[in-house]
Amino acid sequence: AQSVAQPEDQVNVAEGNPLTVKCTYSVSGNPYLFWYVQYPNRGLQFLLKYITGDNLVKGSYGFEAEFNKSQTSFHLKKPSALVSDSALYFCAVRGNAGKSTFGDGTTLTVKP
Amino acid sequence: ETGVTQTPRHLVMGMTNKKSLKCEQHLGHNAMYWYKQSAKKPLELMFVYSLEERVENNSVPSRFSPECPNSSHLFLHLHTLQPEDSALYLCASSQFTTSGSGEQYFGPGTRLTVT
Repeated sequence: AQSVAQPEDQVNVAEGNPLTVKCTYSVSGNPYLFWYVQYPNRGLQFLLKYITGDNLVKGSYGFEAEFNKSQTSFHLKKPSALVSDSALYFCAVRGNAGKSTFGDGTTLTVKP
Repeated sequence: ETGVTQTPRHLVMGMTNKKSLKCEQHLGHNAMYWYKQSAKKPLELMFVYSLEERVENNSVPSRFSPECPNSSHLFLHLHTLQPEDSALYLCASSQFTTSGSGEQYFGPGTRLTVT
């Protein structure tokens, strides 16, 4: 069975500092990995995905994620956090059978 | 705007009522999903439709009944709900292929309160 773990319920960073939101996964076969963001009272928005190729994936709003096959991780990163980045972030994995599994989410708070 | 709309945005219903949630996608996708999001369990997959056929039903109680009349529309019919069914109900769509690489696009959700 495939699974996703987001080990931190909450991440707090100061504005201007780099941020990392962690994600590890377990899946049979080649993983398709995704990050989504959810702002209050809104649906999830797609940020970026890894399918194949370069391990560093760039996405919307200056976010990027690094795929590490040996550590089965797909951490979300941003070099300089903004207060407006404060939101709930979900990691998801999709296996060869096409089924997606989401993590429990990490709340990111960026303080001025 | 993600190309997925949901109505109504807010719904308050009694335990004996019958209501329906509607989702429409304008992205030309061939798969649609219903999720339940609550504080207890952040994101629970309820139903998946691919090419208008239900391909997954994650042991959802029968008081929730989905309907997918075509690839652009998805409904969730509700009857005799319980207070614990109060949650945000999210609809999503994606392009489902054998490579399984399609990201999902979500609607804004319907905030359901059962009294």
